[in-house]
Amino acid sequence: AQKITQTQPGMFVQEKEAVTLDCTYDTSDQSYGLFWYKQPSSGEMIFLIYQGSYDEQNATEGRYSLNFQKARKSANLVISASQLGDSAMYFCAMRELTNAGGTSYGKLTFGQGTILTVHP
Amino acid sequence: ETGVTQSPTHLIKTRGQQVTLRCSSQSGHNTVSWYQQALGQGPQFIFQYYREEENGRGNFPPRFSGLQFPNYSSELNVNALELDDSALYLCASSLGTGLTDTQYFGPGTRLTVL
Repeated sequence: AQKITQTQPGMFVQEKEAVTLDCTYDTSDQSYGLFWYKQPSSGEMIFLIYQGSYDEQNATEGRYSLNFQKARKSANLVISASQLGDSAMYFCAMRELTNAGGTSYGKLTFGQGTILTVHP
Repeated sequence: ETGVTQSPTHLIKTRGQQVTLRCSSQSGHNTVSWYQQALGQGPQFIFQYYREEENGRGNFPPRFSGLQFPNYSSELNVNALELDDSALYLCASSLGTGLTDTQYFGPGTRLTVL
């Protein structure tokens, strides 16, 4: 089963409008972290926002907010007041701790991504 | 700018060759993770190094290996290159291995195997 599902291959939004990018996740862990990254055509993965599984408040970072619905296992990214520079690929990712040989490590598992295009 | 750098930017190799990719961590970060991103896909976890030891590995064969140095910079080595190894290779550094330790990515190395 997919751990991270992003059902929108592509999204279009008018400049200055808000847009929501969907993300659902699958885990049986109680402790996990959810991240959103932006990847412009240059390739660099840019960190946008983080939500911990125990955080009661939705995370916000400037124009970015994360609509966290734990019972539904969804972590949608909301971008307010879209700008032309927001056009990029957006990835939702989850971090769970994996125990191996007495140590733990936290790899990121990414979704397939959503391409956002902002129209003037 | 994350402070994470990678070299080279682009690389072209032929099947069967070996390649070494390099990553310099953000200052103060002791953990480096490597990811492979095929065209049109999300990144896939290769392995993670914490204080010079590999402490986690994804579903990649042993011909993918790595090193982390005392200054926490890192190398990814791939032997016996295959066509399917063509991808963007991303490294990410973080303060630690915990859930809340955000991974900051470098610009990537684009590898083409002919």
